[in-house]
Amino acid sequence: GAVVSQHPSRVICKSGTSVKIECRSLDFQATTMFWYRQFPKKSLMLMATSNEGSKATYEQGVEKDKFLINHASLTLSTLTVTSAHPEDSSFYICSARDQQGWRSTYGYTFGSGTRLTVV
Amino acid sequence: QKEVEQDPGPLSVPEGAIVSLNCTYSNSAFQYFMWYRQYSRKGPELLMYTYSSGNKEDGRFTAQVDKSSKYISLFIRDSQPSDSATYLCAMSVGNNDMRFGAGTRLTVKP
Repeated sequence: GAVVSQHPSRVICKSGTSVKIECRSLDFQATTMFWYRQFPKKSLMLMATSNEGSKATYEQGVEKDKFLINHASLTLSTLTVTSAHPEDSSFYICSARDQQGWRSTYGYTFGSGTRLTVV
Repeated sequence: QKEVEQDPGPLSVPEGAIVSLNCTYSNSAFQYFMWYRQYSRKGPELLMYTYSSGNKEDGRFTAQVDKSSKYISLFIRDSQPSDSATYLCAMSVGNNDMRFGAGTRLTVKP
């Protein structure tokens, strides 16, 4: 089955530093990747959508200069939280799909998430 | 009004009970309806998806979609402690823009 690997699973960083989260599709070509943020007991909030080789499309209210997304290949997307602050602490999850979306075997596959704590 | 409404629970049931999880939505353009299961501190995993209205059964799980009422349900028969997780409904118009419910936290007690 489709596998999306997300690393790191947990990271603690100091306020003001930057953190990079990787999302890799291991056995399919992820033409589109999505980045979500999830607060405790809250739903997944879509942050941005990225298509391979293109600039990411950010949801309203998401700072593109703070959350840098790169989708340079069909198997890798990265989310960099720049100048992190305690309010950026959250659970970040990526998902990936191939070009067929729901009509493919893979549909939407999620990574295992990254818990970011900014101290 | 949120596009997707889901009671966050928590919901606690004894082992063997039938569980009913529900979502309502406001966007009549939604065509794809999904249920995801999310264990603590993990990414969601797809349980079932349904296109348009109707029922779909997979083992102990049954998904129902009623587009006329903008209402979807997930039934779990013979619930097990291993079913304890947060269940999220999700829906989309096409291949993008999947919208999630808040998730219902379910605990199945032995």
